[in-house]
Amino acid sequence: DQQVKQNSPSLSVQEGRISILNCDYTNSMFDYFLWYKKYPAEGPTFLISISSIKDKNEDGRFTVFLNKSAKHLSLHIVPSQPGDSAVYFCAASNIQNKLIFGAGTRLAVHP
Amino acid sequence: SAVISQKPSRDICQRGTSLTIQCQVDSQVTMMFWYRQQPGQSLTLIATANQGSEATYESGFVIDKFPISRPNLTFSTLTVSNMSPEDSSIYLCSVASGGSSYEQYFGPGTRLTVT
Repeated sequence: DQQVKQNSPSLSVQEGRISILNCDYTNSMFDYFLWYKKYPAEGPTFLISISSIKDKNEDGRFTVFLNKSAKHLSLHIVPSQPGDSAVYFCAASNIQNKLIFGAGTRLAVHP
Repeated sequence: SAVISQKPSRDICQRGTSLTIQCQVDSQVTMMFWYRQQPGQSLTLIATANQGSEATYESGFVIDKFPISRPNLTFSTLTVSNMSPEDSSIYLCSVASGGSSYEQYFGPGTRLTVT
């Protein structure tokens, strides 16, 4: 069963605009959520995380929002840059501290 | 964050053979993980490898198929045994940051193609 879902396989955004990547989860026991960025032929790079006791975490151009009641989190990138073009994975940590990943969303930022 | 390297970066192997993938970290870490990313899919945890104990395998993965070694705090190997084309994937190792396994840092991956 897919405990972490990223329903949009791809997203196209114009440079300078906001990119919003979404993620839904089913397990209310997840206590930590993370976003990773992956370029082709490279391993995933940790981007930003949020504890389940918070609803927002910001780091520069990246902000993650968590809505526990809706079991939904989102990653906002603003302003978007061409170098942000990559596959973004949402991940959740369960009680055993294991990461469960979503299927990923391919972001394309075009000039 | 830790610097992680993997060898080989890619390989093409014949059905029925085995390949051992190495993961080297530039600092001592307690928890190391091995993942598989099949074509077009997400990352799936294969096993957790802690130094000084047997690896813990996730559902669907067994030691006979994916034996793991963890001889010290900076190194681990994953062997993909008796390979079939279905084993064609990217294999990644990761380490937990600091004292928490919440944030993991990944190596560059090993792209395996089985013919």
